[in-house]
Amino acid sequence: GAVVSQHPSRVICKSGTSVKIECRSLDFQATTMFWYRQFPKQSLMLMATSNEGSKATYEQGVEKDKFLINHASLTLSTLTVTSAHPEDSSFYICSARGTEAGNQPQHFGDGTRLSIL
Amino acid sequence: GNSVTQMEGPVTLSEEAFLTINCTYTATGYPSLFWYVQYPGEGLQLLLKATKADDKGSNKGFEATYRKETTSFHLEKGSVQVSDSAVYFCALRGSSNTGKLIFGQGTTLQVKP
Repeated sequence: GAVVSQHPSRVICKSGTSVKIECRSLDFQATTMFWYRQFPKQSLMLMATSNEGSKATYEQGVEKDKFLINHASLTLSTLTVTSAHPEDSSFYICSARGTEAGNQPQHFGDGTRLSIL
Repeated sequence: GNSVTQMEGPVTLSEEAFLTINCTYTATGYPSLFWYVQYPGEGLQLLLKATKADDKGSNKGFEATYRKETTSFHLEKGSVQVSDSAVYFCALRGSSNTGKLIFGQGTTLQVKP
């Protein structure tokens, strides 16, 4: 089945550091990738929709300058948390949707646990 | 706007018990409906889906039927196993082409031997 790889799986870093998270579709091409944030024991909150070759669409309340998204190819999207602070600590999950027409489901990565000290 | 409501957990069952996790939705048009499962420390895995009214999605013994008249997509399994312990998310994708998923709040299932 469709596989989405997310890297790294866990990051621990100091406050003020910028952190890049990669999301790759391994066996299919993804026109659209999605970035979610999940707080402990809560549901997923969509942060932004990333379309290959164009600017990401951010959800209301999400700072685009804080969470930089790049979708340079049909198999790779990156999320950079700039100048991270403890309140940015969370579980970040990406998903990818195939390019084929029709009701394509989203396939999720295994998530990145970000801890800012 | 579109929304999904799941029954609150946690749900605790003994092995081989019958499982129902309720999910209802609010949406315009004809959404697609999904159940995802999340094991501890992992991302989400698609469990099953249904794209139109009266469709039944099924996988690994789990089933859910798209009921437009009751706007529901309840998840059921006849005999749960310890390995089914996880968080289950009901989700809908609206009939627009954005591909966005709207998730319910998740229901934790704990199955005891």
